Amino acid sequence: EIVLTQSPATLSLSPGERATLSCRASQSVNSYLAWHQQKPGQPPRLLIYDASNRATGIPARFSGSGSGTDFTLTISSLEPEDFAVYYCQQRRSWPLTFGGGTKVEIK
Amino acid sequence: EVLLLESGGGLVQPGGSLRLSCEASGFTFSNYVMNWVRQAPGKGLEWVSGIIASGDSTYYTDSVRGRFTISRDNSKNTLYLQMNSLRAEDTAVYYCAKSNSFDPWGQGTLVTVSS
Repeated sequence: EIVLTQSPATLSLSPGERATLSCRASQSVNSYLAWHQQKPGQPPRLLIYDASNRATGIPARFSGSGSGTDFTLTISSLEPEDFAVYYCQQRRSWPLTFGGGTKVEIK
Repeated sequence: EVLLLESGGGLVQPGGSLRLSCEASGFTFSNYVMNWVRQAPGKGLEWVSGIIASGDSTYYTDSVRGRFTISRDNSKNTLYLQMNSLRAEDTAVYYCAKSNSFDPWGQGTLVTVSS
């Protein structure tokens, strides 16, 4: 099983600041990594697929990078609606796995 | 518009059974892998089970293997999760999701296992 480790667990930032979230895989997932956003009381939403591709309707302030074992989700300038929990997820092999999540909270 | 609508959740006693359904619309259901993911109260996301487009191959997380069965009816555009021998630790919101990139997710259905 591929284990995904996200850091930090919590990120305290102000609107307008840049957010950098990390996801590390226990073995290579090539580029088969996605990022999902979840707000309280809502289902998750796909933001980024295959490491760097924005899903339909996702604003350009969200970007993903990385390959192999190290990945980054960057939010260039936080909007109020971006404060949420973010999960990375790999589809390189079964069982599919998620990271533990990073909560982006308002400082 | 792609839509996924889960149903079948509820309160069940330990050892009991439930069958979840996920009705899909807005895409060619028979062409896609489908998955179930759950989220226990206040916890993160946990992948539960997946099934390939034809239904010929299925996959499970270790904690549900032998108790849960995923299936699909491509003629009805519906995904299922049969859950037997339910335990308190199976309490969660269960989501269905299209493809292995989980795009999109359904709204979820709550399963509560309690006496």
